[in-house]
Amino acid sequence: DAGITQSPRHKVTETGTPVTLRCHQTENHRYMYWYRQDPGHGLRLIHYSYGVKDTDKGEVSDGYSVSRSKTEDFLLTLESATSSQTSVYFCAISESLHNQPQHFGDGTRLSIL
Amino acid sequence: DQQVKQNSPSLSVQEGRISILNCDYTNSMFDYFLWYKKYPAEGPTFLISISSIKDKNEDGRFTVFLNKSAKHLSLHIVPSQPGDSAVYFCAASASGDSWGKLQFGAGTQVVVTP
Repeated sequence: DAGITQSPRHKVTETGTPVTLRCHQTENHRYMYWYRQDPGHGLRLIHYSYGVKDTDKGEVSDGYSVSRSKTEDFLLTLESATSSQTSVYFCAISESLHNQPQHFGDGTRLSIL
Repeated sequence: DQQVKQNSPSLSVQEGRISILNCDYTNSMFDYFLWYKKYPAEGPTFLISISSIKDKNEDGRFTVFLNKSAKHLSLHIVPSQPGDSAVYFCAASASGDSWGKLQFGAGTQVVVTP
């Protein structure tokens, strides 16, 4: 299994509070991704990173920001959490951007009350 | 607008028989397709992929078929085993500006019965 650790695994918080999710990899892969999974939607890309300090938006990036200061860590921040951001969040990594599978962590279940 | 669709939310199959999962897509620029398997409380696990230059790829019990003219791919699992009970997602990506941006279907829940 790819060495990907997501923390925390579960979090309950209140609307309006900031939340940061962490993804840590030990594979030294260049590319890292954040997805959210919601019923009826599969997984949807939030942001991705193609190197340290290099990030770009995905399909559902509104309300989210990311940072990558080291190869191994990719942080997802909800500046002011809303109930619509209740979801399961998955981090993924890949060696290259295309024609290579992405490998996923075990997810963070986030509930915003 | 969902560009990758899995129209069967669930599938029940007997142990030892073939499971066939289907996936349709609308974006003709997709050129790389993947299948993932997901157990509860775990992340998706990569199963098999196929490039658009091929129409079939096989890995053990898993075979993926791609029909580009119909914009359709399928995953065959034979023989099905109890451990195959999981949610299966198909995903696709396109070259160029969309590199790395996987589009996922909504998933198909497979239940393998004894």
